[in-house]
Amino acid sequence: EPEVTQTPSHQVTQMGQEVILRCVPISNHLYFYWYRQILGQKVEFLVSFYNNEISEKSEIFDDQFSVERPDGSNFTLKIRSTKLEDSAMYFCASRITGLPYNEQFFGPGTRLTVL
Amino acid sequence: DAKTTQPNSMESNEEEPVHLPCNHSTISGTDYIHWYRQLPSQGPEYVIHGLTSNVNNRMASLAIAEDRKSSTLILHRATLRDAAVYYCILTRDDKIIFGKGTRLHILP
Repeated sequence: EPEVTQTPSHQVTQMGQEVILRCVPISNHLYFYWYRQILGQKVEFLVSFYNNEISEKSEIFDDQFSVERPDGSNFTLKIRSTKLEDSAMYFCASRITGLPYNEQFFGPGTRLTVL
Repeated sequence: DAKTTQPNSMESNEEEPVHLPCNHSTISGTDYIHWYRQLPSQGPEYVIHGLTSNVNNRMASLAIAEDRKSSTLILHRATLRDAAVYYCILTRDDKIIFGKGTRLHILP
């Protein structure tokens, strides 16, 4: 069964450093998402991406964040200058269409630890 | 986004049915009712969705009240692997807004 994959599974970085989290969505999916979950808290929407541009972003997704689909398979989340409060699990998701009844498929997540 | 209300936690015995309730009194006509779950240390996973009619799939059943102001996710025979946080979510566009969900404990 096709699945969303994410690398690395765990990333440790120093405050102020740039990190890139990578995702490979399911191959025929057209809509891509990033979510994050701070330990013990809710899963929070960050950004949606379609047709090589951001469709929607939340208040969390400020200028320190960017997303890119550099080739036909990868979808990346970049945090330019990490802060302690960026420590969280980051989940990538994809879906085949943007219709509200289609399910999103989530990856296993990348645990980001900012020291 | 329309709000849902779920119990914080529930317990059930293994191999028994589980009924997880969700209230969504402010649901609009275009909102779909989705259920996702999150197993420990994993990403969320789609369970089932519906609009007006009851739905069944290999994982669960979804019973939707006639006025659509509440719904119930039914796991027909819970296993230890079903221990997770279950999220009831209303969607009208493509993003998902997660609440706190119901943490389901399965007792062996």
